[in-house]
Amino acid sequence: EVQLVQSGVEVKKPGESLKISCKGSGYNFADSWIGWVRQKPGKGLEWMGIIYPVDSDARYSPSLQGQVTISADTSISTAYLQWSSLKASDTAMYYCALISVTGTFFEYWGQGTLVSVSS
Amino acid sequence: DIQMTQSPSSLSASVGDRVTITCRASQAIGNSLAWYQQHPGKAPKLLLYGASRLQSGVPSRFSGSGSGTDYTLTISSLQPEDFATYYCQQYYRTPQETFGPGTKVEVK
Repeated sequence: EVQLVQSGVEVKKPGESLKISCKGSGYNFADSWIGWVRQKPGKGLEWMGIIYPVDSDARYSPSLQGQVTISADTSISTAYLQWSSLKASDTAMYYCALISVTGTFFEYWGQGTLVSVSS
Repeated sequence: DIQMTQSPSSLSASVGDRVTITCRASQAIGNSLAWYQQHPGKAPKLLLYGASRLQSGVPSRFSGSGSGTDYTLTISSLQPEDFATYYCQQYYRTPQETFGPGTKVEVK
């Protein structure tokens, strides 16, 4: 059974750094694209980017390029989403999700990580 | 960027109703379209991909159609568990995938 288990709620201040995680199991983590989706409070879904863990090939939405970093550690089957300097506008629920082999849509989803950024 | 629109933004329906949601892309996307369902406080769930292919385990009352720029999601007979928000997503070109703004299906 495919499972994606994300790290817990984060409460941070503007300017702080953060790295949230997503641990995959039940499938070949290294050989499967995995991605991140943002959902701001009361808003819709936003495709952020994806990564191919075996070679760390990461692709970012043009609107988010440079604002976040997606990485992965195949030794522990975990993908990461990282910020170097958080803003209040980064407050959102962040989902990791497994990309289908058929196309870059999301077949399995993690439970989400809530990130709250406030002074 | 490929922009996605959905209509309506919300609708009210009753159990047993036939419901249709439309998704339009700003350019042709060659059936590279997926539909998701999201209940409040939950992660989205994949319903269909390739515009009309039903994801394993999804009830057959859900169906999809369309081509070019225009696509539809149809729920043939709305069930109580179908009250949710529905999103389309185009995946025509990476990394320019985009979601539609969503359609909320509410109880009439």
